[in-house]
Amino acid sequence: EAGVAQSPRYKIIEKRQSVAFWCNPISGHATLYWYQQILGQGPKLLIQFQNNGVVDDSQLPKDRFSAERLKGVDSTLKIQPAKLEDSAVYLCASSLDPGSPLHFGNGTRLTVT
Amino acid sequence: AQSVTQPDIHITVSEGASLELRCNYSYGATPYLFWYVQSPGQGLQLLLKYFSGDTLVQGIKGFEAEFKRSQSSFNLRKPSVHWSDAAEYFCAVGFTTGFQKLVFGTGTRLLVSP
Repeated sequence: EAGVAQSPRYKIIEKRQSVAFWCNPISGHATLYWYQQILGQGPKLLIQFQNNGVVDDSQLPKDRFSAERLKGVDSTLKIQPAKLEDSAVYLCASSLDPGSPLHFGNGTRLTVT
Repeated sequence: AQSVTQPDIHITVSEGASLELRCNYSYGATPYLFWYVQSPGQGLQLLLKYFSGDTLVQGIKGFEAEFKRSQSSFNLRKPSVHWSDAAEYFCAVGFTTGFQKLVFGTGTRLLVSP
């Protein structure tokens, strides 16, 4: 089975610019997560979707971050405008349902200069 | 507040030697416990999990972990380390149900010397 696909793998932008990340979960997985992993830290949950609805976005900085999963499959995470502290790896994960193991993509490494 | 602590940032182990990675959590009840491994440039892979029952759990790649309620710990062990085990290891805790709302520790980087 194909894994979780993420693009791009790397992105370098200047502060105050905008950026978007894309995630294609494993086919049939209803639950989708976005995690932020800052260098030297563990991943931190940003948002969880169940199909196309948001289950938890309590740790998403909503003044600059947004995410959507319009058709309940692919998802995009956007940062606008980016700050230096947004430099991190952004991991997408999916699971069959909230009680099932997460399958992680390889992540997008964002560098904000 | 709920938290997860991995006290060792780096650990170096000789190939063939045994390994123990430490993980402690702070929570009033019994949480759901996980260990993940991350190779460079890769996503996280689940090694093992503890939800309930037998406190010694077996995982993939020859890893095991033991839940000790009295010590609020969930240490990861392997009897004989292989060079391919070099990676970053994350302990994670779920404070609600199953795999939701996972809180990850800061990770332990394992180096394997010949």
